[in-house]
Amino acid sequence: DGGITQSPKYLFRKEGQNVTLSCEQNLNHDAMYWYRQDPGQGLRLIYYSQIVNDFQKGDIAEGYSVSREKKESFPLTVTSAQKNPTAFYLCASKLTGPTARYEKLFFGSGTQLSVL
Amino acid sequence: AQKITQTQPGMFVQEKEAVTLDCTYDTSDQSYGLFWYKQPSSGEMIFLIYQGSYDEQNATEGRYSLNFQKARKSANLVISASQLGDSAMYFCAMPNSGGSNYKLTFGKGTLLTVNP
Repeated sequence: DGGITQSPKYLFRKEGQNVTLSCEQNLNHDAMYWYRQDPGQGLRLIYYSQIVNDFQKGDIAEGYSVSREKKESFPLTVTSAQKNPTAFYLCASKLTGPTARYEKLFFGSGTQLSVL
Repeated sequence: AQKITQTQPGMFVQEKEAVTLDCTYDTSDQSYGLFWYKQPSSGEMIFLIYQGSYDEQNATEGRYSLNFQKARKSANLVISASQLGDSAMYFCAMPNSGGSNYKLTFGKGTLLTVNP
């Protein structure tokens, strides 16, 4: 079955450490996204990519970095510059093209990141 | 920029009864759409229903329907015959306008609890 796989499900970060969250999709979608969700809050966009080798900052990109070397993969690195990284991270993808605006997002099952 | 407001942080409903979750939006676009997603305690985001502003009939997907009132800028989700498995967070979302057509802006969500 096609879908989005996020790993790990739980991740712990030590002070000053960079950690990388994995996101892989086999839906053949061009666009991929990273959202952050804090308890009781909605989703906030960190980064997004509409095509391989290109990505744009979202609303809360500071302290995060991404790469898009393959269509299937969009890893997110939480750097030591992100002072409050504890949150639930969701990766998503969607179709692009003329109807992109009206296409639904497909989501992974998320990664819970906590600080030790 | 788009703005999504969900004014009900939490809602309770008895099993088998209907419930309406509110969503209001603000946009200057003539053509737009609204999405509803469900997030159970497992964390994944599940697409429920979508309606475009150009659709004349309210969208329906099984027990879910959209009460779309453009003049009031509201797109409320109606769940009929609530089930215990409907207990979850529910998010309303709208695509961004202009050049950033690929991004979704989410509301803060409503936590629905279905009582037996």
